Amino acid sequence: DSGVTQTPKHLITATGQRVTLRCSPRSGDLSVYWYQQSLDQGLQFLIQYYNGEERAKGNILERFSAQQFPDLHSELNLSSLELGDSALYFCASSALAGGGNEQFFGPGTRLTVL
Amino acid sequence: GQSLEQPSEVTAVEGAIVQINCTYQTSGFYGLSWYQQHDGGAPTFLSYNALDGLEETGRFSSFLSRSDSYGYLLLQELQMKDSASYFCAVNPAGTALIFGKGTTLSVSS
Repeated sequence: DSGVTQTPKHLITATGQRVTLRCSPRSGDLSVYWYQQSLDQGLQFLIQYYNGEERAKGNILERFSAQQFPDLHSELNLSSLELGDSALYFCASSALAGGGNEQFFGPGTRLTVL
Repeated sequence: GQSLEQPSEVTAVEGAIVQINCTYQTSGFYGLSWYQQHDGGAPTFLSYNALDGLEETGRFSSFLSRSDSYGYLLLQELQMKDSASYFCAVNPAGTALIFGKGTTLSVSS
């Protein structure tokens, strides 16, 4: 158990819908990262927050957005969902803003878009 | 941009030694990490090399050559439970990880 929690574990929805994925980092970690894992694209970095502020952006679509709240939990919002958005979404946390050398991953949310 | 190359699949038998290579091209470099992921599970950290040389942690070792932009993960005394995907990763901007496509290791008895 990494100490990172993600809800929900599974999510099934329809094209065009909007969903919110939630992540709570390890106690004391200020950095939160979101990654998408699909069969054809592998593990791809989406976005990072550090202590409430956006720190780095990766291959995140404009239809996707995220935020980190004062209690340090984070939410990833996915809107106008398409079939291709079906994937495993991981949240990870680390103590450092720079990512350091170890990130702790949550169990993931499996999103299925029908 | 960034790219990491690693073999897609490796097979071995219990008790054997296997080496998974990773070559990288990045605009910046802080170090090379290795993560293990069992099917459907979360990636878990195995090792990190910031400097050239070998780092050993139990049955697993990791090596880095910065001049060659190359590293490898060495797994010794393989066990069935080592069957998983192994990812090398860099954090070129010192922030998020950029992962290779992963190497699927299958260990048979």
